[in-house]
Amino acid sequence: AAGVIQSPRHLIKEKRETATLKCYPIPRHDTVYWYQQGPGQDPQFLISFYEKMQSDKGSIPDRFSAQQFSDYHSELNMSSLELGDSALYFCASSSMTGVTGGYTFGSGTRLTVV
Amino acid sequence: GENVEQHPSTLSVQEGDSAVIKCTYSDSASNYFPWYKQELGKRPQLIIDIRSNVGEKKDQRIAVTLNKTAKHFSLHITETQPEDSAVYFCAASQGDGTGFQKLVFGTGTRLLVSP
Repeated sequence: AAGVIQSPRHLIKEKRETATLKCYPIPRHDTVYWYQQGPGQDPQFLISFYEKMQSDKGSIPDRFSAQQFSDYHSELNMSSLELGDSALYFCASSSMTGVTGGYTFGSGTRLTVV
Repeated sequence: GENVEQHPSTLSVQEGDSAVIKCTYSDSASNYFPWYKQELGKRPQLIIDIRSNVGEKKDQRIAVTLNKTAKHFSLHITETQPEDSAVYFCAASQGDGTGFQKLVFGTGTRLLVSP
């Protein structure tokens, strides 16, 4: 079965640079969630989108922005990167209508800021 | 890598009954097992967790048990109430040698508690 696809798997950026992470949800999933997980920490919720509209917002820094496109994939844009942004970024998807059910995470993008 | 299986995918109980959700994991190196509750339209929220050095943990009506030998852990909800209706996710955490603790989630259990 198709899973949540995240790209890239690994990303190395320098301070003050910009990074874009992509998430492709499971087919027919209409909701996408972004999480940030630092070393030794639980994932922290950043933001979510349902039907291309922001549906929930967590601890997302102002330097970050995200959107969901018409094909339901989502991109997390991170600007003015800081060393503290180094983390594993997870994307998850689900279906609000319960058509396919489940809440599935991607494998994550490991961002290293140097 | 780690693989987490969760059963059942759906569970319907009557108010006041108990509900049990079971998960198995594959990697014996996993040492942290959280449970999340997701209500419709909201993001999953951590409800209870257990570490590998503990066999059981309880918080009011919710308890989690861990059997390291069999590599399975379970969520127990007693005296269920309609507001317990949600999707529940188990997860297992393993280090990958670089300092990150990656959570691997089960596929979720949709619990419905009928009045």
